[in-house]
Amino acid sequence: AQSVTQLGSHVSVSEGALVLLRCNYSSSVPPYLFWYVQYPNQGLQLLLKYTSAATLVKGINGFEAEFKKSETSFHLTKPSAHMSDAAEYFCAVSRGTSYGKLTFGQGTILTVHP
Amino acid sequence: GAGVSQSPSNKVTEKGKDVELRCDPISGHTALYWYRQRLGQGLEFLIYFQGNSAPDKSGLPSDRFSAERTGESVSTLTIQRTQQEDSAVYLCASSTPSEGTGELFFGEGSRLTVL
Repeated sequence: AQSVTQLGSHVSVSEGALVLLRCNYSSSVPPYLFWYVQYPNQGLQLLLKYTSAATLVKGINGFEAEFKKSETSFHLTKPSAHMSDAAEYFCAVSRGTSYGKLTFGQGTILTVHP
Repeated sequence: GAGVSQSPSNKVTEKGKDVELRCDPISGHTALYWYRQRLGQGLEFLIYFQGNSAPDKSGLPSDRFSAERTGESVSTLTIQRTQQEDSAVYLCASSTPSEGTGELFFGEGSRLTVL
């Protein structure tokens, strides 16, 4: 069975500051890992994904995440926050070979202050 | 349309009534998923359709929940005898079946409120 834990349901940063959203997972098989973002009044969209290639994954809008097997983590980072980054972020792990059957974390709401 | 379309966007119903939620996936996407998002929680997988294969119903919470899909087109999620705990946003997603891509395209969801 897989599970995902996102540390911090709310994260607040100042514009220009580092963004760090934490995700830890458990999986009995090599995982596929994802970050999805949900902007207000929009559907979820894929930010980036890890599928056993490079451990440092770059996504859209300047976000990146690093897969660390020893720490079972897949934290999301961005060097400099923009106001437009304010959204809810979800970490997810695939359930075995059915890659679209995802187990999601509870989400982290990112607030960016001017 | 260009994206996944869901209807209705909002539905308020009384406890005990049946509801139907509709999903129109992106054209050409053979895989279709339903997820549920309760307030303050992550998304829960409900059901998965892949082409003409038997659907994976492993996430359906009770026999009051069912879903159908005709071919690779529209899907309908039906909740019978709704309960207050069914209140949630129901999200539909579609994707191509290519192994390893993992990108789901989500609709904006149908918000269900059971009074």
